Amino acid sequence: GAVVSQHPSRVICKSGTSVKIECRSLDFQATTMFWYRQFPKQSLMLMATSNEGSKATYEQGVEKDKFLINHASLTLSTLTVTSAHPEDSSFYICSAREEGTGQGYTFGSGTRLTVV
Amino acid sequence: GENVEQHPSTLSVQEGDSAVIKCTYSDSASNYFPWYKQELGKRPQLIIDIRSNVGEKKDQRIAVTLNKTAKHFSLHITETQPEDSAVYFCAASIRNRDDKIIFGKGTRLHILP
Repeated sequence: GAVVSQHPSRVICKSGTSVKIECRSLDFQATTMFWYRQFPKQSLMLMATSNEGSKATYEQGVEKDKFLINHASLTLSTLTVTSAHPEDSSFYICSAREEGTGQGYTFGSGTRLTVV
Repeated sequence: GENVEQHPSTLSVQEGDSAVIKCTYSDSASNYFPWYKQELGKRPQLIIDIRSNVGEKKDQRIAVTLNKTAKHFSLHITETQPEDSAVYFCAASIRNRDDKIIFGKGTRLHILP
């Protein structure tokens, strides 16, 4: 079935630095990628929707200048957390839908970000 | 935008009994309702889904029902087993429009021996 590879699985960074998270669709073209954030014992909260070749659409309350999303190709979307702070520590996960197949959504394996 | 409410937040069930989780959604345009099981630190796993043109769907011990008029949908797990212990999320989506999945807050299911 469809696979989305997400890297890194875990990252620890210092406050003020930036971290890039990658999601690659391995055997299908992901025209749309969704980015979620999940705090401990909470639900997955949609941050933004990215479409290949266009600007991402951010959910209300999500800072687009802090969470930079790039979807430059049909198989790669990236999320960069800029100037990270401890409150950005969370589980970030991407999800993609294969266009036109009627299939469900495929999730990446998630990235555990810890900002110290 | 879409809002998905999920109840209960925690559910304890004796092994072998049935578990029911209920969700409501707000946007009548939603037409796809997946259910996910998530274990700690892992990605959500799709366990069953239902589309708005169907009222009920069953897959072995798992069934989902949908009431479009009331904007309710429910997950039913029968003959529960220890491996069913996990967090379950309902979700709603408008396929072929914005496609984004909005999740409920989750139900932590404990299967008691």
